[in-house]
Amino acid sequence: EPEVTQTPSHQVTQMGQEVILRCVPISNHLYFYWYRQILGQKVEFLVSFYNNEISEKSEIFDDQFSVERPDGSNFTLKIRSTKLEDSAMYFCASSNQGLKNSPLHFGNGTRLTVT
Amino acid sequence: AQSVTQLDSQVPVFEEAPVELRCNYSSSVSVYLFWYVQYPNQGLQLLLKYLSGSTLVKGINGFEAEFNKSQTSFHLRKPSVHISDTAEYFCAVSESGSARQLTFGSGTQLTVLP
Repeated sequence: EPEVTQTPSHQVTQMGQEVILRCVPISNHLYFYWYRQILGQKVEFLVSFYNNEISEKSEIFDDQFSVERPDGSNFTLKIRSTKLEDSAMYFCASSNQGLKNSPLHFGNGTRLTVT
Repeated sequence: AQSVTQLDSQVPVFEEAPVELRCNYSSSVSVYLFWYVQYPNQGLQLLLKYLSGSTLVKGINGFEAEFNKSQTSFHLRKPSVHISDTAEYFCAVSESGSARQLTFGSGTQLTVLP
């Protein structure tokens, strides 16, 4: 069964550094998402992306965050200047027809540790 | 705004016993409801979903959930659990007018004991 793949599985970075988290969604999917889960807290929505633009974003997704689909297969999340509180598990997800008609397929996540 | 409450953070249960994981939601409009499971070091996997129609929804691995609009609940049940069901379970809601994002509950760690 096709899977959403995320790399790396664990990223350690220093505060203030830029980090790019990479995701390869399922190939025929059209909707892409980033969620994050701070340790011990809920899974939180960050952003959704469709037709090469952001569809929705949460209040967490401020100017430090950006997303890009640089080619036909990758979907990236960039954090420009990381803060300690950005430490979390970041999940990428994709779906075929939007949430109503097809479920979100999640990747295994990237654990980001900011020191 | 939508929200989800999972009252039990941890549920230990013996193998072959039944289990119910509770989920309550809050929303001013009609919603879609989901249960996801997360095994250790893995992503979130969809167990089942409720969009409309029958209030009893069957999912994978023998799980089912019942949508109760009057009680704003969507509890997950399994009549007989296995060791392999040990995982974290997340309830999630999406308001039908905004079909792009999910709001998750805080999760329930189900531990099945031999």
